[in-house]
Amino acid sequence: DIVMTQSPDSLAVSLGERATINCKSSQSVLYSSNNKNYLAWYQQKPGQPPKLLIYWASTRESGVPDRFSGSGSGTDFTLTISSLQAEDVAVYYCQQYYDMYTFGQGTNLEIK
Amino acid sequence: QVQLVESGGGLVKPGGSLRLSCAASRFTFSDYYMSWVRQGPGKGLEWVSYISSGGSGRHYTDSVKGRFTISRDNAKNSLYLQMNSLRVEDTAVYYCARPRVGNDAYDGFDIWGQGTMVTVSS
Repeated sequence: DIVMTQSPDSLAVSLGERATINCKSSQSVLYSSNNKNYLAWYQQKPGQPPKLLIYWASTRESGVPDRFSGSGSGTDFTLTISSLQAEDVAVYYCQQYYDMYTFGQGTNLEIK
Repeated sequence: QVQLVESGGGLVKPGGSLRLSCAASRFTFSDYYMSWVRQGPGKGLEWVSYISSGGSGRHYTDSVKGRFTISRDNAKNSLYLQMNSLRVEDTAVYYCARPRVGNDAYDGFDIWGQGTMVTVSS
């Protein structure tokens, strides 16, 4: 099974500042035949289901603000929020869908 | 809009059974693989099972193999999860989720239901 490990577990960032969340997979999620990374990012607010933000590691889902961006390849990935807004307070999860599905443990993002 | 609505959760004793349902609307349900994902109280997300669009392919996470069965009725636009031999550690909110692209298991989940709570306790 592919294990997804996020860092940090918790993060406090000032409004307007950059937030960076890392995700590492125990094996590569890059599929060589199509050169795609099978990696997604989700945002979950209390009492709500997760919301898809990013898929294929760097493609923003329709309607997601452009302050959210994803990067990385192979086993190391990053979700960046370029200028933190109050409504971005949430738990963020990475997910691999290369071999079944596994999620990272989540990163709790708060306002400093 | 595109919607998934779960039902069937509740309180059950260890060793008991429960059947969850997920009603889909406003998309061609029969075109999509579907999954169940759960979230224990205060915990992270755990994928539980998926079923292919036609229903012939099914996969489960190791902890539920032999106890849970996923199924679907495309004529009724419905997804199910039969849960037997329930354990305390199965306590969670159970979500049904749809991948972004039809006829492909391997994609991000763009549509989620609101979830149904399953509590296993004596």
